[in-house]
Amino acid sequence: AQKVTQAQTEISVVEKEDVTLDCVYETRDTTYYLFWYKQPPSGELVFLIRRNSFDEQNEISGRYSWNFQKSTSSFNFTITASQVVDSAVYFCALSEAGLGNEKLTFGTGTRLTIIP
Amino acid sequence: DSGVTQTPKHLITATGQRVTLRCSPRSGDLSVYWYQQSLDQGLQFLIQYYNGEERAKGNILERFSAQQFPDLHSELNLSSLELGDSALYFCASSVISGDGYNEQFFGPGTRLTVL
Repeated sequence: AQKVTQAQTEISVVEKEDVTLDCVYETRDTTYYLFWYKQPPSGELVFLIRRNSFDEQNEISGRYSWNFQKSTSSFNFTITASQVVDSAVYFCALSEAGLGNEKLTFGTGTRLTIIP
Repeated sequence: DSGVTQTPKHLITATGQRVTLRCSPRSGDLSVYWYQQSLDQGLQFLIQYYNGEERAKGNILERFSAQQFPDLHSELNLSSLELGDSALYFCASSVISGDGYNEQFFGPGTRLTVL
């Protein structure tokens, strides 16, 4: 069975600090996809990134970066120079590949608060 | 805006009642997924339909049912409602992306409150 663990329930940092959100996953599949979603106070789910299990390259998008390590089954998310607009709940998720049934298994989320 | 629409945005009802949530997928998307976000269970997959047929089932209660119509919109029916059914219900539709993965696009959700 698939499982995603986000051990950090809540994190608070002062604006401009860097912050890393942890994600550990479990799956028996050799091919799978990992995701991060942002849920701002308004409630919608905002897609941030998708990575497949064959691509362990770290990715950077502006102030956001992701570190994927298969050896530790982790897919961590770092926000550099945090801003108040980054305050939200962040979800890590896992999906099997192919077959037309890519249901997502979500972690419990990390509530990030950026203090001005 | 993902292109997925959900109605209503908010729904308040009483225990024991029945409600229907509606989802219109993006134009051309054949697959619809339903997810429930509750305080107790977190964000969890309920059910998936593909071109009118049930494709996969998750932790969906027997009191809940869904269907996808010929025009591809989907409805999630919740009956004999309990306080614990209060949640945010998301619909997502999917399209095959360039690398063959079925990319899901989420709607804004329907917030259900059971009093």
